[in-house]
Amino acid sequence: NAGVTQTPKFQVLKTGQSMTLQCAQDMNHEYMSWYRQDPGMGLRLIHYSVGAGITDQGEVPNGYNVSRSTTEDFPLRLLSAAPSQTSVYFCASSRSLQGINYGYTFGSGTRLTVV
Amino acid sequence: AQKITQTQPGMFVQEKEAVTLDCTYDTSDQSYGLFWYKQPSSGEMIFLIYQGSYDEQNATEGRYSLNFQKARKSANLVISASQLGDSAMYFCAMRDNQGAQKLVFGQGTRLTINP
Repeated sequence: NAGVTQTPKFQVLKTGQSMTLQCAQDMNHEYMSWYRQDPGMGLRLIHYSVGAGITDQGEVPNGYNVSRSTTEDFPLRLLSAAPSQTSVYFCASSRSLQGINYGYTFGSGTRLTVV
Repeated sequence: AQKITQTQPGMFVQEKEAVTLDCTYDTSDQSYGLFWYKQPSSGEMIFLIYQGSYDEQNATEGRYSLNFQKARKSANLVISASQLGDSAMYFCAMRDNQGAQKLVFGQGTRLTINP
């Protein structure tokens, strides 16, 4: 019962470097999303996907790229890391719903520091 | 656009007392869902309770209940008989139950239970 798996758990990047945060789920959930959590600001939606091949922007998409080639995986790419992207990143997944609470399953988070 | 407001940055409560965490929301959607999550110091996001906009009764899950007042657009979390392990950040979140089904979070309330 792996649920949502995020890797890595910790990462330090230099400004300008690129990297990919991995997110995988084994629950056959259609909906996947990425959030960043900064102190005092709650979780903010970066990008989300309602199914394989379909992605869309959330509240704070700039500087990030996503793709969804399979139902299981939803990687988040930082194109050119900036100190402002220092944050904790969460991936979450959910079944597609019709007004029913299937809830969201969150990964354990990735703590990213950009120096 | 959806918005969640949590006006209590921090709360301090004596053990065994009941506590109410405030949450107000704004949306033009007719069908939506309201969630509460707990985030302990370890960082994971733990689902507590869900209320659908068409649910006529307030949701309850063990010691947690959601005081849903639709006309006032409020969805307060009530924790009865608080325990030391309840000390954590608590987030209120809202999802539109149609369309993109994005989950939007409030800023959170840090609850501290004193012995």
